[in-house]
Amino acid sequence: DADVTQTPRNRITKTGKRIMLECSQTKGHDRMYWYRQDPGLGLRLIYYSFDVKDINKGEISDGYSVSRQAQAKFSLSLESAIPNQTALYFCATSGIAGASGELFFGEGSRLTVL
Amino acid sequence: AQSVTQLDSQVPVFEEAPVELRCNYSSSVSVYLFWYVQYPNQGLQLLLKYLSGSTLVKGINGFEAEFNKSQTSFHLRKPSVHISDTAEYFCAVSDSIGGTSYGKLTFGQGTILTVHP
Repeated sequence: DADVTQTPRNRITKTGKRIMLECSQTKGHDRMYWYRQDPGLGLRLIYYSFDVKDINKGEISDGYSVSRQAQAKFSLSLESAIPNQTALYFCATSGIAGASGELFFGEGSRLTVL
Repeated sequence: AQSVTQLDSQVPVFEEAPVELRCNYSSSVSVYLFWYVQYPNQGLQLLLKYLSGSTLVKGINGFEAEFNKSQTSFHLRKPSVHISDTAEYFCAVSDSIGGTSYGKLTFGQGTILTVHP
């Protein structure tokens, strides 16, 4: 089984709908991240959490919210989806403070907003 | 703030030829550097990383990269590519000391490597 699991893997929705992407990990890592990938733009950080009580905005947090339900679970919500949120979303984890910042990725959730 | 620039968006190459994927970074503090690879329809996996020590870093699948502090570069190389190396490659940087950017990766735009037979 994958160490970082994302659900759903693919989702098509309509403008204005609420969407939740879920991420769970079995690596025992404290830090979890949500990135968005767009062609030609690389990966951009949406939100990150260094522990259950710590949530931080990344560079493109507008229109998104997150919840860290447990050390192993970190979900991303789009309260009212819009077409320019169509993208591939990745959850990632990293180890304890003092580590290099190396990330371990899930396989991605492809979201299409019509 | 950090930034990463991958100088080529696409690199076509023939099988068994050498390849270099270029990456430059900008940071006001010392950095850790990474190369990740993304095969079609998959997540990202680590190819190699520079944390400290030798500036020539060897990774998986025969790839290597050289950290050049004076030129703020971290170019990825492979002496002989295979069809299976076709993928998108991402350069990334994180701060190596404490601070608000510590432990967060900033990614480049990606380079699509296509290996032709």
